[in-house]
Amino acid sequence: AQSVSQHNHHVILSEAASLELGCNYSYGGTVNLFWYVQYPGQHLQLLLKYFSGDPLVKGIKGFEAEFIKSKFSFNLRKPSVQWSDTAEYFCAVKGYNNNDMRFGAGTRLTVKP
Amino acid sequence: DAEITQSPRHKITETGRQVTLACHQTWNHNNMFWYRQDLGHGLRLIHYSYGVQDTNKGEVSDGYSVSRSNTEDLPLTLESAASSQTSVYFCASSDPEGADTQYFGPGTRLTVL
Repeated sequence: AQSVSQHNHHVILSEAASLELGCNYSYGGTVNLFWYVQYPGQHLQLLLKYFSGDPLVKGIKGFEAEFIKSKFSFNLRKPSVQWSDTAEYFCAVKGYNNNDMRFGAGTRLTVKP
Repeated sequence: DAEITQSPRHKITETGRQVTLACHQTWNHNNMFWYRQDLGHGLRLIHYSYGVQDTNKGEVSDGYSVSRSNTEDLPLTLESAASSQTSVYFCASSDPEGADTQYFGPGTRLTVL
């Protein structure tokens, strides 16, 4: 089964700083990749997803992620974070031919005003 | 608007009791999932269902069961609650026609004393 590793457990940034959250996965076949966000006290919401095509994927709220197949990575980026981006971010991977979605342990992002 | 709801939102129970958590979706999705969220582990899949009368074990299924009698509902039952099952539980649904994006409910916080 596939697995996901998120390198950073807690990231603290000041407003306007750039963000990059690491995500690596292990799986032998074709994958679908996701980033979800969980704002304090809320449920998970989809930020962006990659299924095929352009490896640079743009999502909501100015987030983007790049799929690098050779590195089994799907890092999340944002050029300039805002206080409202404070949340927990989860990377997830699903094998193309199964419904078993695996999530990383999550990265907590704190943005200082 | 279509949505996915969970009840109760908070539950406190005692060790050994049977507990059932409800999940109801109005997306008309065939696929439904139950996850538990624990600090340091992200989300882990408990059970999932591809349709009525179909159920499958996930990564951490021991001590849990599900049944699917209609498209809208997938209740999760803890047969004999244990303190290790104290967690936040999320239900999700997805439609294969919609590229398998999962939509999450608001979560149920379960405490087993």
